[in-house]
Formats: sequence, C-alpha cells, structure tokens
Amino acid sequence: NAGVMQNPRHLVRRRGQEARLRCSPMKGHSHVYWYRQLPEEGLKFMVYLQKENIIDESGMPKERFSAEFPKEGPSILRIQQVVRGDSAAYFCASSAGGQATGAQYFGPGTRLLVL
Amino acid sequence: QKEVEQNSGPLSVPEGAIASLNCTYSDRGSQSFFWYRQYSGKSPELIMSIYSNGDKEDGRFTAQLNKASQYVSLLIRDSQPSDSATYLCAGGGTSYGKLTFGQGTILTVHP
Repeated sequence: NAGVMQNPRHLVRRRGQEARLRCSPMKGHSHVYWYRQLPEEGLKFMVYLQKENIIDESGMPKERFSAEFPKEGPSILRIQQVVRGDSAAYFCASSAGGQATGAQYFGPGTRLLVL
Repeated sequence: QKEVEQNSGPLSVPEGAIASLNCTYSDRGSQSFFWYRQYSGKSPELIMSIYSNGDKEDGRFTAQLNKASQYVSLLIRDSQPSDSATYLCAGGGTSYGKLTFGQGTILTVHP
C-alpha cells in the first residue's frame, strides 16, 4: 500500500499525558501537512513540513503542540499535557510538491480521545 | 468572514438526479481548488482538482471554477446512494501548500 500511513489509528490519553502521532507520507512525496478536525467542525490546517524543516506552522497552537519530520523516519505530531479539548481526529496529508497547486492526499487519521 | 464557504446543506437528492454543491472563497490569490469526499468516520478522499476557469469533467463529476466570481462548484450526475457523504471544498493559497477547507456539505442520495 503506497498510501499515506498514520499510526496509531486510535489513541486514548488521560489529561496531562503526552500524545505522539506518526505519519509516513505516500511514496515519492516529501511534503507533509497536519490537519485537525474537531467534532462537528471542519478541517483546520496545523503545520506544513518538509524533511528536517518546518515550512509553515501558522495553524499550530502556541503551546503544547510541536511537529517534526526528521531525515529518517515518519513525521511526528506531539501534544504535551493533553487536555480534553485536544480530543479530535488528526489527519496527515502528503503531496509531491509544496506549491499551491499540489494535490494533497490524506491518511486514515488518528482519533485522539482525552479522558 | 469565512475564507471558504459552502452551501450549508444538508442536501438530499433522489437516486439518478444531479447533485449540485457550491463553494465561494474570499482569497483572490487562491490558485487551486479541490473537492474531497468524506464518509462518516473516514478520512477525506480527493475526487476533483481544478486550477483554471471553466469546467473539468471526470466521470460523473464536473467541477466548475469562476475566478471572477470567486465561485467553485461540483456537479454529480446520476447520483448514487454510495455518493452519500460530506463534501469538502478546499482552496490552495498564494504560497506553500496550505489548504483552507469549507465546513462541508452533507449529501444524502435516497433510493
């Protein structure tokens, strides 16, 4: 399967714990985007990364959230000290290029539930 | 003002009819537009992309773009119950690859 891969698919955390979400882009893609979908709300852009670089993090909350895309391995979205409001579906998408015309393909998502 | 706005729906059409989904955007610098389909509990699936004024057809789907009116639409011909889903309109900005999504339109195709 050459599609975008995300794991885990479901993640349960208690308030105050850390959540780590992983994303491997589609084969041949080097641009990764993270989006969040809160219940009954639309998809919101969080961050755009290329290998070892954060290109645009304008949608990331200022605190507790961070993202990386190392030279080797998947992209990781990290949420520290989770709160109930972080419960959402987190989607990763990838594209072959970062230009505005590049189509983005989504992974299956990680559903985060904070108890 | 929302950057990408979709007709609120929900939209219900009979099987075999044409479903029309509409979207307006506020950023005149947007260069690309995409329609995604999202089934309940699933991830968005890309179904159409359009970059130039006019129509683009792919099977039962036709996307229309009018940059002067800042308007994008998706027509689904011969609608099937399997088309029942939420349809998301997204616009690509003037830089990088960030997509801005509308809130989605729920489509139900009833037999």
